[in-house]
Amino acid sequence: DAGVIQSPRHEVTEMGQEVTLRCKPISGHNSLFWYRQTMMRGLELLIYFNNNVPIDDSGMPEDRFSAKMPNASFSTLKIQPSEPRDSAVYFCASSYSSYGYGYTFGSGTRLTVV
Amino acid sequence: GQQVMQIPQYQHVQEGEDFTTYCNSSTTLSNIQWYKQRPGGHPVFLIQLVKSGEVKKQKRLTFQFGEAKKNSSLHITATQTTDVGTYFCAVAEGNTGNQFYFGTGTSLTVIP
Repeated sequence: DAGVIQSPRHEVTEMGQEVTLRCKPISGHNSLFWYRQTMMRGLELLIYFNNNVPIDDSGMPEDRFSAKMPNASFSTLKIQPSEPRDSAVYFCASSYSSYGYGYTFGSGTRLTVV
Repeated sequence: GQQVMQIPQYQHVQEGEDFTTYCNSSTTLSNIQWYKQRPGGHPVFLIQLVKSGEVKKQKRLTFQFGEAKKNSSLHITATQTTDVGTYFCAVAEGNTGNQFYFGTGTSLTVIP
């Protein structure tokens, strides 16, 4: 298995532009998570899907952020419009939803908004 | 989400010395997981603890869950330069066991 695949690895965009981050979870995993990592705030859980359904999006910072999971093998995190304070590393992770499985993280997308 | 504190925030050790990081919660935890993140990398799952007082070992790493299930520790014996990275604990919300919130992490530097 290739693991959790995220794209792009790096994204530099201008303030106000739309940014779309992509994630392909491990085949068979039915839970998917989006995290954001910054020095100031650490690893923050943004949203959690189970069987493609959003279960908890309370971590999504504001309406500029949205996430979708149209099928079991693909998810997107969109920021529109982007702001400099959105600069961070965004990780996607997947796991089995059964109790007690660890997460497998992707390599992350480093987003810089200038 | 859960509020989880880890101490220390940073630790520098000479190669060969031991290292311990602690994870503390104000609430009783259903389970706890530990992850390692190398510089520039992504978190990698190490282990999960479920039972009160549980102790698990992976080579030079020893993981312990407190008797009251409110704290946990990770101890590394005789550190090596390959141990460099940030160690995170992660705790589950409620009893569902699958939605984890990460602690603040302990950054370990090993001086050769």
